Amino acid sequence: EAEVAQSPRYKITEKSQAVAFWCDPISGHATLYWYRQILGQGPELLVQFQDESVVDDSQLPKDRFSAERLKGVDSTLKIQPAELGDSAMYLCASSNQGANYGYTFGSGTRLTVV
Amino acid sequence: QKEVEQDPGPLSVPEGAIVSLNCTYSNSAFQYFMWYRQYSRKGPELLMYTYSSGNKEDGRFTAQVDKSSKYISLFIRDSQPSDSATYLCAMSPFISNFGNEKLTFGTGTRLTIIP
Repeated sequence: EAEVAQSPRYKITEKSQAVAFWCDPISGHATLYWYRQILGQGPELLVQFQDESVVDDSQLPKDRFSAERLKGVDSTLKIQPAELGDSAMYLCASSNQGANYGYTFGSGTRLTVV
Repeated sequence: QKEVEQDPGPLSVPEGAIVSLNCTYSNSAFQYFMWYRQYSRKGPELLMYTYSSGNKEDGRFTAQVDKSSKYISLFIRDSQPSDSATYLCAMSPFISNFGNEKLTFGTGTRLTIIP
C-alpha cells in the first residue's frame, strides 16, 4: 500500500536553532499539505501545495517557517529559529484529483524544542 | 469559539459496547464530513466520509450527519480493543477538481476499549 513518507520521526532541538522536516508524498499525488498537531488538539493546516505552487499558506508563521516543493514532488518544511511553542507533531499529507475524499497522512515528525 | 467542537474525552467503554462519538460545528458552509482514526504516534487515517446530511454504514461503523443541527456522529458497534485510538472529525466546504481542500479538524476524542 502506498504511503506518505516523512523524516525524521523524532527531532529534539534547542530553541533558536534551525530544524527541517522532509516529506515524500504518494507517487503521482499533486496536492501536498503540511499540518501541525499540538498535543491534545486536532491538526491545523500550515501550507498547501498544488504541484510546486503554494495554494494556501495563510496560517504559516512566515517570519520563522518556510516550505518548498521545488520539483512538485517531495517537500521540506523549515523552522528558523525554533521556539518552545513549536513543539508539536508535524504531519504531511497528500491527495490527488479524483481520489477518495480525505487525505493520506504520513506518520509525522514529533518535534520537541528545549 | 472554534468552528468545530469535539469532546476530548477520554472515553472508556467495555469490549462489545456501542460507542458514540460526536462533533458540532458552526460553519454552515461545511458540506463534506469525515472521521479519522489516529493511533498513538501515527498519522490520522481516514475511516469514514459522508457528503451533506444522512447516514453511511461501513461494517461496524456508522456515520451520521444532521446539517440542520450542525451535528455529526460516529457509531462503533461491537467495539474491539483494536478500536482504541483517538477519533478526529474533520470537515470541508467543498472538494475541488484537484482533490481535497483544507480540512478543519476537531480536537479528537481519545477512546479506550476495555477487554
